[in-house]
Amino acid sequence: SAVISQKPSRDICQRGTSLTIQCQVDSQVTMMFWYRQQPGQSLTLIATANQGSEATYESGFVIDKFPISRPNLTFSTLTVSNMSPEDSSIYLCSVMTGSSYEQYFGPGTRLTVT
Amino acid sequence: AQKITQTQPGMFVQEKEAVTLDCTYDTSDPSYGLFWYKQPSSGEMIFLIYQGSYDQQNATEGRYSLNFQKARKSANLVISASQLGDSAMYFCAMREDTNRGSTLGRLYFGRGTQLTVWP
Repeated sequence: SAVISQKPSRDICQRGTSLTIQCQVDSQVTMMFWYRQQPGQSLTLIATANQGSEATYESGFVIDKFPISRPNLTFSTLTVSNMSPEDSSIYLCSVMTGSSYEQYFGPGTRLTVT
Repeated sequence: AQKITQTQPGMFVQEKEAVTLDCTYDTSDPSYGLFWYKQPSSGEMIFLIYQGSYDQQNATEGRYSLNFQKARKSANLVISASQLGDSAMYFCAMREDTNRGSTLGRLYFGRGTQLTVWP
C-alpha cells in the first residue's frame, strides 16, 4: 500500500483568497487524482494530475479555479483560487499504484471559506 | 443513470452482530473494480476491500467481506462481529478499467451509508 500525506489538514480562509494543498506519497505511483467532497455529499473527481504536463479536468472544473501541478511521481499540489463559501469542502488526494489495483486516499484537507 | 447506488442512507447494528451494506452498480465495461471505503468523522477515506470483475472468489479482509454477485450487479459489504469503532460512513465505489470515454482510474462513488454500532 501507499502512505499518503496532505498539508494542511485543515484551514479556514477568507473569501477571495487562494489555498494550495500538497499531497506527498511515500513511493512512486502511476496516477494521482484530486477529489472534492462537499458537506454531506459524496466524492467528485476534480482532475487527474499528470506528471510533467497539464492536469486533465472533469466537466465542471477548470484550470483557472483549480490549478494543479505534479512535478514528479510522488508529489502534487492543488490550488483552490479566488475562494468562495461554496468551496468549503474536504479535498482528497488519491493514488493508484502500478503494482496493485487498489486505490488509496490521503487524509484529506478540510477547507472552510468564510 | 447512476453508476453506483447505495439505497441505505443509515443502518444500525448492535455490537458483535453482523451487518450488510448494500451496493449495486451499473457498467457495460467488461473489466472493472469495486471498492469499499470507510469514512469516519475525521474525513479520511480508509480503503477496506477490493473486488475485480474477473475474480472468481469473493474478496475478504479480516472482518470485511464483499458479497459479489456479478449477474445481479451487486457488491454488498458484510462486516462481521461489529465493533463500536465501525461507526462511520461507508462508500461503495467502482472503477472502469477499459477507459471507454471515461477518465482512466476514476472512481465513481455512491452516496454512502451511515453505519451506527450500538452497545
